[in-house]
Amino acid sequence: DAGITQSPRHKVTETGTPVTLRCHQTENHRYMYWYRQDPGHGLRLIHYSYGVKDTDKGEVSDGYSVSRSKTEDFLLTLESATSSQTSVYFCAMASGGFSDTQYFGPGTRLTVL
Amino acid sequence: DQQVKQNSPSLSVQEGRISILNCDYTNSMFDYFLWYKKYPAEGPTFLISISSIKDKNEDGRFTVFLNKSAKHLSLHIVPSQPGDSAVYFCAASRSGNTPLVFGKGTRLSVIA
Repeated sequence: DAGITQSPRHKVTETGTPVTLRCHQTENHRYMYWYRQDPGHGLRLIHYSYGVKDTDKGEVSDGYSVSRSKTEDFLLTLESATSSQTSVYFCAMASGGFSDTQYFGPGTRLTVL
Repeated sequence: DQQVKQNSPSLSVQEGRISILNCDYTNSMFDYFLWYKKYPAEGPTFLISISSIKDKNEDGRFTVFLNKSAKHLSLHIVPSQPGDSAVYFCAASRSGNTPLVFGKGTRLSVIA
């Protein structure tokens, strides 16, 4: 099922350019998350949202910002991409709270040259 | 400082045998634990969870054991199947008040 999608699925960009990744859900879930997955680091939380316009920082938020103007969309922006932000980015959603089961999107592979 | 640790980056098991994946945590306030499974080029999917009021939870071939005094949990897969080959992430939460903290993952290979 495609209750949560991410776009683009792949992106190559250059250092210093802004990049926005989009997460879209159709389940009306309140909680949404952005993670990055890197070899040797597992899944690390970048930012999360617990409602429209309600967001907070995660473990690795430096260099990233987020916005949530509608329940269904959670945007992750890299203001000025750096090579250290080359990663696979996953979005997730949950309905009932922080310990509720999270449902993940398919991921976006971002390469910063 | 890593609060959730999966000390084995990889594990190889023969088909039909038991797979045991381990996870240790350092924060004694964690009271809810989950396992996620991830195939290549896909997002993680929820597998099984356990609350700190229990010491065991079963779902088909998957069983999670929790040892609170040792701050240790393990995922048992019996019998292991080739389709179980994936990366398994352990995650923990504190009373539902904080986002999940994930371990680094263990890559399981089930050999036919």
